[in-house]
Amino acid sequence: KAGVTQTPRYLIKTRGQQVTLSCSPISGHRSVSWYQQTPGQGLQFLFEYFSETQRNKGNFPGRFSGRQFSNSRSEMNVSTLELGDSALYLCASSEGQGAAYEQYFGPGTRLTVT
Amino acid sequence: GDSVTQMEGPVTLSEEAFLTINCTYTATGYPSLFWYVQYPGEGLQLLLKATKADDKGSNKGFEATYRKETTSFHLEKGSVQVSDSAVYFCALNDQGGSEKLVFGKGTKLTVNP
Repeated sequence: KAGVTQTPRYLIKTRGQQVTLSCSPISGHRSVSWYQQTPGQGLQFLFEYFSETQRNKGNFPGRFSGRQFSNSRSEMNVSTLELGDSALYLCASSEGQGAAYEQYFGPGTRLTVT
Repeated sequence: GDSVTQMEGPVTLSEEAFLTINCTYTATGYPSLFWYVQYPGEGLQLLLKATKADDKGSNKGFEATYRKETTSFHLEKGSVQVSDSAVYFCALNDQGGSEKLVFGKGTKLTVNP
């Protein structure tokens, strides 16, 4: 089975722009979660989707949004980019919800905001 | 809220040395505990997990025991290899039906030949 894929892998944007990141989960996985990884804050939970519904959201401003499609693919969007949004954005998928299901992480999208 | 504290390192060891990376947690319920590893340029991989007190997770020579009395989940390996060089993250999931993981800051391990 193919692993979790994230596109693009690298992205450079300017302050004030918006960006959309994509995540394709492992085939058959219905749960997708997103994390932001920065040197200062470490790994922080953004959101979690299951069957196209957002089930949980982390403590991020409303500029961060996401969605999940019927094929379980997910996108996250960041509007009005700030320098502090520069980070590695990781997506993880699992078959179901909860700690009983292993989460598989993608390689991440490296976003640089200038 | 829930939190995870782990020694931040960096940790530098010689090949075949013994490894311990400390991890303690704070949680309101009975969390599941995890160790993830991140190799350069890659995402995270689950290394091992434990879902209840006194459970021992193990994989690839790494072990960690869920200690409820000390709220700890220390990672150990008896003999590290150069290929173990990576960043290690301790994490917990305390929300039953949720996928949300709370991570420690990560510990960078470098193993020299």
